[in-house]
Amino acid sequence: SQTIHQWPATLVQPVGSPLSLECTVEGTSNPNLYWYRQAAGRGLQLLFYSVGIGQISSEVPQNLSASRPQDRQFILSSKKLLLSDSGFYLCAAGRDEKLFFGSGTQLSVL
Amino acid sequence: QKEVEQNSGPLSVPEGAIASLNCTYSDRGSQSFFWYRQYSGKSPELIMSIYSNGDKEDGRFTAQLNKASQYVSLLIRDSQPSDSATYLCASEGGDSSYKLIFGSGTRLLVRP
Repeated sequence: SQTIHQWPATLVQPVGSPLSLECTVEGTSNPNLYWYRQAAGRGLQLLFYSVGIGQISSEVPQNLSASRPQDRQFILSSKKLLLSDSGFYLCAAGRDEKLFFGSGTQLSVL
Repeated sequence: QKEVEQNSGPLSVPEGAIASLNCTYSDRGSQSFFWYRQYSGKSPELIMSIYSNGDKEDGRFTAQLNKASQYVSLLIRDSQPSDSATYLCASEGGDSSYKLIFGSGTRLLVRP
């Protein structure tokens, strides 16, 4: 079975600082990978998804970017965080049309 | 804009009762539907998937799908306090990209 590692669990960053969140997947090869964000009390918003190394599709235009340097590694980045970037960030891997989530990163931008 | 709609709740039921959670979706091309459970501060956990019209049962959970009405529901029998969580409905985007579109979730409270 696949395991999704996501870190850190919590992060407090000042406005204007950079961001790098990393996600790695074990137990499967060539997975579809996703970054979702969940604002407090809200549903999941798809930010990026990737079907292979170097292939990134952006769903929402914003100051975030994603990269997939290796088959089972997915990175979410920002050069300058905004207050509105606060939220719960979730990495997910897809198998047989089902999504399985990592444990998430709670990001607070102050 | 493809959407999945859910009542935010909270839905409050007594322990042992049946909890009924509902969801509608806008994209008639969607073929796959999922229910996730999310405890506060935790990541969503897949509990049910359904692809065909009708009912699908798994233990205390039953998912129901009506594609003509674009309606998905989740029934939880013999509700327990541990079932108290937010339940997210999701539909597959219908474009073979395996992107899931999520509703905002329904909060369920099971009273002891």
